[in-house]
Amino acid sequence: NAGVMQNPRHLVRRRGQEARLRCSPMKGHSHVYWYRQLPEEGLKFMVYLQKENIIDESGMPKERFSAEFPKEGPSILRIQQVVRGDSAAYFCASSPLGRNSGANVLTFGAGSRLTVL
Amino acid sequence: AQSVTQLGSHVSVSEGALVLLRCNYSSSVPPYLFWYVQYPNQGLQLLLKYTTGATLVKGINGFEAEFKKSETSFHLTKPSAHMSDAAEYFCAVPPHQGAQKLVFGQGTRLTINP
Repeated sequence: NAGVMQNPRHLVRRRGQEARLRCSPMKGHSHVYWYRQLPEEGLKFMVYLQKENIIDESGMPKERFSAEFPKEGPSILRIQQVVRGDSAAYFCASSPLGRNSGANVLTFGAGSRLTVL
Repeated sequence: AQSVTQLGSHVSVSEGALVLLRCNYSSSVPPYLFWYVQYPNQGLQLLLKYTTGATLVKGINGFEAEFKKSETSFHLTKPSAHMSDAAEYFCAVPPHQGAQKLVFGQGTRLTINP
């Protein structure tokens, strides 16, 4: 029973390149969340998606960042024209569609660590 | 919006000593509350959660937390620290009732001294 799978675990990009981070939720989970963890900082919410639908993107930077969760395949966080400040660990989490909203446990992946040179 | 504040970004205790990591929440309405642990270079793992009912919640690895409405606190404790407890600990809360996402505190890095 695989958990939340993220890949790549480590990604190195030069400034101006694109980064694509993938996340496959736990089996049976229909909600995906992306968080960013900057060095020496806590986790900051970025976006929350269900299949083919962005529910809450209040934490996404206005430019260069996008996320999708297609009907088939993993969720993808895309960062265009990366800059050094994008260097961080990006965590994906998933949860089931629960009856008690707010009490659902988020299950996290191991993260994708992006380094921008 | 509800939020949590973790007092102390670094806590250091001796092996075998009591661990106390502090978390206070902002809402006057009892929220759902979570503690997660992050080991180096890993994702977050759920330690325990409070939803309703018993205010003393037991989690994995001998940790427990007590929900105290009068103090708006949800401090994490463990009677006797083990070297393997060295990690970063995060308190979290849904930002409003019914929210699916969580907002996290700044985290507390726990160091265990031999």
